[in-house]
Amino acid sequence: QITLKESGPTLVKPTQTLTLTCTFSGFSLNTYGVGVGWIRQPPGKALEWLALIYWNEDKRYSPSLKSSLTITKDTSKNQVVLTMTNMDPVDTATYYCAHRRVDSSAYYFDYWGQGTLVTVSS
Amino acid sequence: AIQMTQSPSSLSASVGDRVTISCRASQGIRNDLGWYQQKPGKAPNLLIYAASTLQSGVPSRFSGSGSGTDFTLTISSLQPEDFATYYCLQDHNYPLTFGGGTKVEIK
Repeated sequence: QITLKESGPTLVKPTQTLTLTCTFSGFSLNTYGVGVGWIRQPPGKALEWLALIYWNEDKRYSPSLKSSLTITKDTSKNQVVLTMTNMDPVDTATYYCAHRRVDSSAYYFDYWGQGTLVTVSS
Repeated sequence: AIQMTQSPSSLSASVGDRVTISCRASQGIRNDLGWYQQKPGKAPNLLIYAASTLQSGVPSRFSGSGSGTDFTLTISSLQPEDFATYYCLQDHNYPLTFGGGTKVEIK
């Protein structure tokens, strides 16, 4: 059974760096075709994809946030970490991590964490 | 970046109604599209991938169609548990982009 859970601070101040950890079980990030992504959702708004890391260390970022995002994985701990620098109140959102799978060349997010709400405020 | 335009942004329907939601891509994305359902306070849930493949465990009243730029999610007979917000996501290239969402409400 695949599970993912996000953890990190619930409140950060403007200009601070946010570090979120996705701890997962039920799969390995050493397995071909597997990835973990981060998606966020401001209150009352739509979903926004942020970043992805794959089993082979391939990393992808949203161009609008690329300069502030870093995604890494620790396969021994079954964790993926997302850091976002220079946080702003507009970054207030629920942050989700999700398991990404490939199936006959189709990619999709089939398991999601419960999400963690991060508020950016002084 | 590929823009995904969903319509309508919201709709009201009754239990038993047939509901269709559209998603249009700003350029061709083959069939690299998924549909997700999200209920208030919950994470999104995958319904359809590769435009028309039903995810395991998803009721057969959900179906997807389309290719290229125009896609449709259909709920053949709306059930009480289907009142939620639905998002499309293009997986064709990076950055991955979601549609703006369609909120399905009770009439």
